[in-house]
Amino acid sequence: KAGVTQTPRYLIKTRGQQVTLSCSPISGHRSVSWYQQTPGQGLQFLFEYFSETQRNKGNFPGRFSGRQFSNSRSEMNVSTLELGDSALYLCASSLGRGSDGYTFGSGTRLTVV
Amino acid sequence: KNEVEQSPQNLTAQEGEFITINCSYSVGISALHWLQQHPGGGIVSLFMLSSGKKKHGRLIATINIQEKHSSLHITASHPRDSAVYICAAINFGNEKLTFGTGTRLTIIP
Repeated sequence: KAGVTQTPRYLIKTRGQQVTLSCSPISGHRSVSWYQQTPGQGLQFLFEYFSETQRNKGNFPGRFSGRQFSNSRSEMNVSTLELGDSALYLCASSLGRGSDGYTFGSGTRLTVV
Repeated sequence: KNEVEQSPQNLTAQEGEFITINCSYSVGISALHWLQQHPGGGIVSLFMLSSGKKKHGRLIATINIQEKHSSLHITASHPRDSAVYICAAINFGNEKLTFGTGTRLTIIP
């Protein structure tokens, strides 16, 4: 079965722009969560969506937002990009509960210049 | 203090050596993941465990819930095992993932 698909794989944006990243979960998985990975902070939780509703949220500013569609695909949006937003953005899907286990995508590497 | 602590941060070993990576956590968990990340960035879940021990090939993961400690062992290590290994605790209640800082493993031929 297909894994978790993230698009695009690489992205270069300019400060002040906005960006939208996409994550298609494994078929049948209803939960999608997003993470930011930077060399300084490691992996940090952004937010999680389940059945089109945000179920959990990490400690990121309001410039970071997301949504989930009825087919469980999720998008993450970052507005007014800052240099510090340069990172690897990963999504993971699970059946419904975290204890069902997570499957990660390959990530989107965002560079802000 | 981080809620999930890993040690060591970096580990270099000769091919064939037995490897142990440790993870301690201070939060209540429903389960714990061991993840592997290669230089390309993608993350693979090696194990998810909530008690006891799991084995897959040369990899063994153990967890002691009372002591809030987990270990990942690699037997007969190989250069292809070189990667970053991350433990991630699934918080009891909200089921969010909290990550350790990772262990960078390098196996020298």
